[in-house]
Amino acid sequence: DSGVTQTPKHLITATGQRVTLRCSPRSGDLSVYWYQQSLDQGLQFLIQYYNGEERAKGNILERFSAQQFPDLHSELNLSSLELGDSALYFCASSVAPTSGGGETQYFGPGTRLLVL
Amino acid sequence: EDQVTQSPEALRLQEGESSSLNCSYTVSGLRGLFWYRQDPGKGPEFLFTLYSAGEEKEKERLKATLTKKESFLHITAPKPEDSATYLCAARAQKLVFGQGTRLTINP
Repeated sequence: DSGVTQTPKHLITATGQRVTLRCSPRSGDLSVYWYQQSLDQGLQFLIQYYNGEERAKGNILERFSAQQFPDLHSELNLSSLELGDSALYFCASSVAPTSGGGETQYFGPGTRLLVL
Repeated sequence: EDQVTQSPEALRLQEGESSSLNCSYTVSGLRGLFWYRQDPGKGPEFLFTLYSAGEEKEKERLKATLTKKESFLHITAPKPEDSATYLCAARAQKLVFGQGTRLTINP
């Protein structure tokens, strides 16, 4: 158990809908990362927050957005869902964005999203 | 563009048959090379972080090494429970993952 929690575990929804995925980082971790994993793309970095502020953006679509709250939990909002958005969505956390030569990211169990 | 390539894509071994997985990386200003293990439908589980060429780390039957261009994950006398996908990731500005090596250990 990494200490990172994600809810829900599974989500089934229809095209055009909007969903919210939630992540609670490990105790003491200030940085939260979101990743998408699909069969053909592997793990793709979406976005990073550090202590409530956006720190880095990856391959995140405009239909997707995220935020980190004062209690450090984070939410990933996916809207106007398409069939191709079906994937595993992982949250990871680390102590800080930079720590010596690099920080270790600890991953949650993921949310499996199926868009029908 | 930062890139990480893992080989082979899949590897099937007999229990006790040692082997190595390769991770080649091209990143500007490497700030860490990470190895993760991922079981089907689960989140990646952290194994090792390597920071500089020549560094080695070990954990049970696994040993990770790092050069200036690649990293190896050596598996010694593997057991069926070592079956998983092993992911390598290089961090510069962000963490870039390889596609993984799917390892199967047959009893």
